[in-house]
Amino acid sequence: DGGITQSPKYLFRKEGQNVTLSCEQNLNHDAMYWYRQDPGQGLRLIYYSQIVNDFQKGDIAEGYSVSREKKESFPLTVTSAQKNPTAFYLCASSMGGGGIEQYFGPGTRLTVT
Amino acid sequence: AQSVTQPDIHITVSEGASLELRCNYSYGATPYLFWYVQSPGQGLQLLLKYFSGDTLVQGIKGFEAEFKRSQSSFNLRKPSVHWSDAAEYFCAVGPDSNYQLIWGAGTKLIIKP
Repeated sequence: DGGITQSPKYLFRKEGQNVTLSCEQNLNHDAMYWYRQDPGQGLRLIYYSQIVNDFQKGDIAEGYSVSREKKESFPLTVTSAQKNPTAFYLCASSMGGGGIEQYFGPGTRLTVT
Repeated sequence: AQSVTQPDIHITVSEGASLELRCNYSYGATPYLFWYVQSPGQGLQLLLKYFSGDTLVQGIKGFEAEFKRSQSSFNLRKPSVHWSDAAEYFCAVGPDSNYQLIWGAGTKLIIKP
C-alpha cells in the first residue's frame, strides 16, 4: 500500500537534546512538507521541499532543520534552539508544489520536558 | 492578503442531523479548495477538493461541498451525521505566493447521541 509513514508515534526527550523525526513516503511524490500542530492553532508550515536536495523555510522554521537526500525521505530535526518543541508534528507529500492536494502521515507527538 | 476563515471553532450536532461547516477565503482569483478531516491523534485525510468545473463537489464519507464564488465560500455539508464523524475539519486553499496551501484554524465537530 502506498502511503506516508512517520516514526515514532510518540517521542519523549529532555530539554536541550536534539531529536530527529522520521518521514518516509512511497507515493513517488516530488514534494514533501513538515507541519506543526498545536491545539487551536491549525497547521503551521515548518519546512518544505519540492525536489531532492532542495528545501525552503516555512512560516516557523526557527529551531528546526531538515534534509532531503532521497525522494522518499524528509527527516525533521528539532534542535535545542526550538523554544517550545512540544507539539504534534505532521509530515505530508504531494505530486508537486503549487498548492495541490497533500497527503498526510499519521503524525508524531513530541514531548520535551 | 490571502487567508482562510473557519468561523466556528466548535459545532455540536445531534446524530442523524444535517451538518454544514463554513469556510470563507480571501484570494485574488479562484483558488484550489480542499476539505480535510482529522480524527484525534491522527493525520489529516482529504475529504474533497475543488479545482474547476461543477461547483458542487462530492467527497468521501458522504460529504459534499459547494463553491460559491460570489460569497468566497466553500462550505462542507452532510445530510445526516454519524457518531464516527466526530473529528476536526480543516479547510485549505492554494496556492499562496510560495505555492503552498493556506490553512483554516479548523472546526471541531461534536456529535450528540
